[in-house]
Amino acid sequence: KQEVTQIPAALSVPEGENLVLNCSFTDSAIYNLQWFRQDPGKGLTSLLLIQSSQREQTSGRLNASLDKSSGRSTLYIAASQPGDSATYLCAVIKSGYSTLTFGKGTMLLVSP
Amino acid sequence: KAGVTQTPRYLIKTRGQQVTLSCSPISGHRSVSWYQQTPGQGLQFLFEYFSETQRNKGNFPGRFSGRQFSNSRSEMNVSTLELGDSALYLCASSPQGLAGETQYFGPGTRLLVL
Repeated sequence: KQEVTQIPAALSVPEGENLVLNCSFTDSAIYNLQWFRQDPGKGLTSLLLIQSSQREQTSGRLNASLDKSSGRSTLYIAASQPGDSATYLCAVIKSGYSTLTFGKGTMLLVSP
Repeated sequence: KAGVTQTPRYLIKTRGQQVTLSCSPISGHRSVSWYQQTPGQGLQFLFEYFSETQRNKGNFPGRFSGRQFSNSRSEMNVSTLELGDSALYLCASSPQGLAGETQYFGPGTRLLVL
């Protein structure tokens, strides 16, 4: 059974810092990995999707990497801003259809 | 293009009652998936519908059921509510429900069971 772990569970940083969020998964036979953002009481917003054949994806200040062989992904946020405060979730898809297996998330607080 | 919409946004029920939640996917999307989010268990997959057929199912009891209509709108039903069913229920849509597609989530329905 696929298990997804996110470390740390919570992170507090001052504005302007670069930071790394970690995601690990037990079964390396994944099809792709997706990072999401969730604001309190809200739904999920897709940030980046990395196909299993890719090593990384970038969108603005966000960069996500994927190492299938070691079962790890990282989300790098450059020059953090208070508006980045949210819970960040990673999810993996094993194959075929689109069922997502989620980690429990990292709650990020960026203080001004 | 309008996003995924879910109704109602908030719901309060008592134990033993049943509830129906609705999800309208992005126009053109034929796959709808449902997830339950609780503080203890995180996000867990309930089921996925494509072209009015349940294509995949998570590990939830039979009290949880769903359906999809010809316009791709989906409903999920929970019968005989228990306190532990209190959660945020999220639906997601994608064009074909294939692994390479981005999932787009709605704002969720927050259910409180008293």
